[in-house]
Amino acid sequence: QVQLVESGGGVVQPGMSLRLSCATYGFTFTTYGFHWVRQGVRQAPGKGLEWVAVIWNDGSKKYYADSVKGRFTISRDNSKNTVFLQMDSLTAEDTAVYYCARDLWDSGNYYFDYWGQGTLVTVSS
Amino acid sequence: DIVLTQSPGTLSLSPGERATLSCRASQIVSSRKLVWYQQKPGQAPRLLIYGASSRASGIPDRFSGSGSGTDFTLTISRLDPEDFAVYYCQQSGTSPPYTFGQGTSLEIK
Repeated sequence: QVQLVESGGGVVQPGMSLRLSCATYGFTFTTYGFHWVRQGVRQAPGKGLEWVAVIWNDGSKKYYADSVKGRFTISRDNSKNTVFLQMDSLTAEDTAVYYCARDLWDSGNYYFDYWGQGTLVTVSS
Repeated sequence: DIVLTQSPGTLSLSPGERATLSCRASQIVSSRKLVWYQQKPGQAPRLLIYGASSRASGIPDRFSGSGSGTDFTLTISRLDPEDFAVYYCQQSGTSPPYTFGQGTSLEIK
């Protein structure tokens, strides 16, 4: 069955880097685009979802949220069915659970149909 | 960027009651690009409704979505105990960023 499994989270000091991975199983990887979505653990009230980045199914296009542009890089390795998020110059505001999600185009509809379980990134000195 | 505002922030209801959740966009959103997700504590978001009104696979028919333009609604006709969770709307429009609303927390009264 379809699975997305994130890894690579952990505790890192401000200014440092971290690379997240999203390994996928159970479907044809190259058919789909992928996103990273994060859920902060710092902001209140509630802990909302923030879209971070997307990579097209063929890797030809990548887009980023303004909050991470120039610091984060999304990529994919079609030989390993894996998506990556390279995160540089991390700040406390980047502390969050990071989810990988698969997107689907369906008769003009566009949505995220499968999500991973998330990986926690904590930026702290 | 399109801003989505969900209301109410918290909704307290009893099992068996009807829940109506609102999502208002700062500009017109194509119905094909309005999505609802459910999230339970400690879990990833789960796709509920896409295209404003189409239920995802395996979603019970007590969940329905409606709306167009800038106003969208998620309705749960008769609340089941498993429905108490946080609900997010999202617009997946023609170009990023694909913004989310801030969420509505549906709590047991």
